[in-house]
Amino acid sequence: DAMVIQNPRYQVTQFGKPVTLSCSQTLNHNVMYWYQQKSSQAPKLLFHYYDKDFNNEADTPDNFQSRRPNTSFCFLDIRSPGLGDAAMYLCATSRDWDRDFNEQFFGPGTRLTVL
Amino acid sequence: AQSVTQLGSHVSVSEGALVLLRCNYSSSVPPYLFWYVQYPNQGLQLLLKYTSAATLVKGINGFEAEFKKSETSFHLTKPSAHMSDAAEYFCAVSVGDYKLSFGAGTTVTVRA
Repeated sequence: DAMVIQNPRYQVTQFGKPVTLSCSQTLNHNVMYWYQQKSSQAPKLLFHYYDKDFNNEADTPDNFQSRRPNTSFCFLDIRSPGLGDAAMYLCATSRDWDRDFNEQFFGPGTRLTVL
Repeated sequence: AQSVTQLGSHVSVSEGALVLLRCNYSSSVPPYLFWYVQYPNQGLQLLLKYTSAATLVKGINGFEAEFKKSETSFHLTKPSAHMSDAAEYFCAVSVGDYKLSFGAGTTVTVRA
């Protein structure tokens, strides 16, 4: 089945220790998104890629970076995690940008704990 | 700017009873609207979407939603709740070409 895969499902890191979360997709979609979701809150868009074009949300901290080396993979790097970065991180994809094709498909998420 | 408001952060229903989750939207253009469900420690799964075709939209797991322009609403219903419906539900509106604006979410608990 075509899907969005996130690894690992659970990640524990130490305060200030860089961490990388990964996302892969078999849907061959053009757009990939990273969301941060804190407990009992709605997902918050951090950034997205249209193909290799990176688009940062205005309020995404510089501590968060992303890489998309190819169509299938996208990585979220947190350079110096703080306690406030503990959250569920969701990866999503959509076929395209156009409203008729921008239905988003979500991965299962990675729950990040910062000690 | 496009946005959605979900009325009620928690809804508790008895098994077999009607599930009704309320969502009102604000949009300067004809909206595309979505309902997603999230089970504990899982990602979001699309239940249904409205994209300006039929106003009554049927989704998965027996859910449906009706788009009412006059009331700017897109409420989600299911005639008979099942224990497996316990989850968090998010209403979302498409903002421009790619972005989704999510509501705050409604947690559904189902009583046996």
